[in-house]
This record gives sequence, structure tokens and C-alpha cells, in this order.
Amino acid sequence: SYILTQPPSVSVAPGKTASITCGGDNIGGKSVHWYQQRPGQPPLLVIYFDRNRPSGISERFSGSNSGDTATLTISRVEGEDEADYFCQVWDTGSDPLFGGGTSLAVL
Amino acid sequence: EVQLVESGGGLVQPGRSLRLSCAASGFTFDAYAIHWVRQGPGKGLEWVSGISWNSGTVVYAGSVKGRFTIYRDNAKNSVFLEMTSLRPEDTALYYCVRDIGEQIRGGGWFDPWGQGTLVTVSS
Repeated sequence: SYILTQPPSVSVAPGKTASITCGGDNIGGKSVHWYQQRPGQPPLLVIYFDRNRPSGISERFSGSNSGDTATLTISRVEGEDEADYFCQVWDTGSDPLFGGGTSLAVL
Repeated sequence: EVQLVESGGGLVQPGRSLRLSCAASGFTFDAYAIHWVRQGPGKGLEWVSGISWNSGTVVYAGSVKGRFTIYRDNAKNSVFLEMTSLRPEDTALYYCVRDIGEQIRGGGWFDPWGQGTLVTVSS
């Protein structure tokens, strides 16, 4: 079955740029979605179809997807961005799959 | 406001059953497929099951197939997850989530998410 690999944790200083990766075999051929989960909260969609931002999501969030890696980029990181981030694809036509999640620490 | 509200969680002994409910509001319920996604304590997200708008397509993760049953009542804007033969590894926060369309075609995202209902399987 398809496997998505995310780094367990990423650290970044306030004001800098954070990059969170999601690796998978030819993931560039799939549509990737990203969710943010703050402590005690349900996940929130922040990027859909690789690079699109839902209404209400800060323009500091962006995404890309090519080859074997999809990337969520958060520019000008703020303390409120500290959260877990999950990527999601569909393995087959009916099997959604999530990455293991990355905990973003804002130092 | 588009909203999904889960209920029915609780503490249950291994081998017993439990039924979760998801009440939807703020959108045309029968125009969307609905899924259940769970998150074990301190763990990641695991998709559990999904149902199309008219119940014509129901799908399950391998870990719950044969034990869980998803169904919906469009007249009541609700989706249910009947869980039987529960195991300790089923312990998780169960979220109800909306698909992007009426069918389960694959490729779409989940939005919004409910607050979740906690299921604890323990003796």
C-alpha cells in the first residue's frame, strides 16, 4: 500500500520560513491536501489540490508538489502557527491516506 | 454556518458495541458524501469509513471492515457509525468529516471537521 512520510518535527524561529515535507512514491502524480491541527482542536484544511488556499487561510501558507515530495511552506512564521500538520492523498479511488504528521515548533 | 456534531462516544469493554452519530447543519446534506476519521491518543489521523450521498457506495478501512457499519438518514441530516467487536486499538477520537462532493471518487479533501467524540475501549 501507499506510504506517506513526514518528518516528526520541524523547528523554526518567528518571522522565518518553515517547510514541511510529505514524501511518497511519485506523489507528484497525486493531489495533496494539508491540514493544521492546533492542540485540542480538530484538523483544519489549509491547502487543497497541492497549492490552493481555502477562504480565510492566511496567504503565508503555500504548497507545492513534484516528483516524490509535496511541501507545505509557511512564510513569516508566527506563534499561532505552532501546530501539527498532516498531508493527505487518496491511495486508490476509495482509500484516503494521511501522513504521520509533523509537529511545528516556533522557537 | 456549516457544522458537523458528533456524539455517542464513551467507555466500552472489549468485544462490546457502540453507535456514533453525526448531525449536520448549514449545508445541503444529501449533496455530500460523509466520512469518519479517527485519531488515537497522541497519534495521527486514520480514515475509517465513508458513505456517498445516497448510500450507494460505502467503503471501509481494512482495520474495521466486517466490524463497523456506516449508514445515513438524509431526512435527519445524520450519519451513523455502528461499531461492533470493539478492540482496545479502536480507542480514539472519532471525527465526522465532509467530502467535496456527493460521490466517493477519490482525490478530494475533507472540510469541515467536527469536534469529535471520544471512544475508549477498555476493561
